[in-house]
Amino acid sequence: EVQLVESGGGLVQPGGSLRVSCAASGYTFSNYDMHWVRQAAGKGLEWVAAIGSAGDTYYLGSVKGRFSVSRENAKASGYLQMNSLTAGDTAVYYCARGRGDGVNRPFEYWGQGTLVTVSS
Amino acid sequence: DIQMTQSPSSLSASVGDRVTITCRASQGITNYLAWYQQKPGKVPKLLIYAASTLQSGVPSRFSGSGSGTDFTLTISYLQPEDVATYYCQKYNGSPRTFGQGTKVEIK
Repeated sequence: EVQLVESGGGLVQPGGSLRVSCAASGYTFSNYDMHWVRQAAGKGLEWVAAIGSAGDTYYLGSVKGRFSVSRENAKASGYLQMNSLTAGDTAVYYCARGRGDGVNRPFEYWGQGTLVTVSS
Repeated sequence: DIQMTQSPSSLSASVGDRVTITCRASQGITNYLAWYQQKPGKVPKLLIYAASTLQSGVPSRFSGSGSGTDFTLTISYLQPEDVATYYCQKYNGSPRTFGQGTKVEIK
């Protein structure tokens, strides 16, 4: 059974940094892309970033230069490093995996999400 | 970047009604279009991919159509358990933009 479990969310001050993690199980982690999607309270889904199976990375324009996505295949884990955080980054952050390996896949599996709150 | 625009933003319909949600891409995306259902307090669930392919386990009252820039999600016979927000998403290239969502309620 595929499982994705996020961790590392919490309260951080504006301008601060936080790293959230996504631990994967139930599949060969190294073969699949990992995506990060966020959702502010009462708002819609917003794709944030992705890392491909080959380590290629992609970012939403508004987070480029502030967020960094990485993966550690030996630990079957993905990471989203978030720097220079603002109140606008406050959201539940989900990791997600595509339906099947390869590029251009819809998101079949989602973690339960981890809440990141940026506030003084 | 390609923008995804859904309409309506919300709707209220009766049990048994046929419900249609539309999604328009600002540029052609062939059929790289998915629909997700998110019930209150829950994680999004993949309903349809490749514009019209039903994900395994999804009831057949859900269907999708379209190609290029215009897409439709139809619930043929609305059920109480279909109360949710529905999102379209383009999943080719980057960014993998979502529509703003359509909230479906029971009248």
